[in-house]
Amino acid sequence: DIQMTQSPSSLSASVGDRVTITCQARQDITNYLNWYQQKPGKAPKLLIYDASNLETGVPSRFSGSGSGTDFTFTISSLQPEDIATYYCQQYDNLPWTFGQGTKVEIK
Amino acid sequence: QVQLQESGPGLVRPSQTLSLTCAVSGDSISSGSYYWSWIRQPAGKGLEWIGRIYISGSTNYNPSLKSRVTISVDTSKNQFSLKLSSVTAADTALYYCARESVGYSSSHYYHAMDVWGQGTTVTVSS
Repeated sequence: DIQMTQSPSSLSASVGDRVTITCQARQDITNYLNWYQQKPGKAPKLLIYDASNLETGVPSRFSGSGSGTDFTFTISSLQPEDIATYYCQQYDNLPWTFGQGTKVEIK
Repeated sequence: QVQLQESGPGLVRPSQTLSLTCAVSGDSISSGSYYWSWIRQPAGKGLEWIGRIYISGSTNYNPSLKSRVTISVDTSKNQFSLKLSSVTAADTALYYCARESVGYSSSHYYHAMDVWGQGTTVTVSS
């Protein structure tokens, strides 16, 4: 299995701040990476696919970048509704695997 | 708009078989390039991919669960199902079904779980 490691595990930021989450794969996964948002009590929601492509309907303040083993997810201006846990997920090799999640809170 | 809805017993006895169904509405389960997947999440923990099925019946399972998992599809009922045998307390979790879309971008295929059910909680306890 390809291990995915996210950092930090949690963060606290102010409204309007730029927030960055990193995801590292144990091996090269090209750009076969997705990002999901999971709000409390809700199912995950796809935000970014193929490392950098914004899913339809997702606000442009969300973005993703990276390739190989190192990836970054960014919220350019944190909003109160962005409070959630964010997960990266690789689809280079089965079984698909997720990072452990990054919990984003408002300071 | 495609919607998924999980259903099944919320309580399963240890050593028994967990059985869940995911009903697909808003589109035919047979249409498009989709895999139909199961993912689970223990309380307060992360996401674990269980497996998926293609409409042809082809399946892929997580090796950590492979010996106990069966995913099947019923096109006549527009639904797919999960069976997990010999359950223990470690199988207690929130179980999600999801649609995995396959698309083409930048000269390669991408896979993404773009539609999810709301999830159903399964507790394994005597």
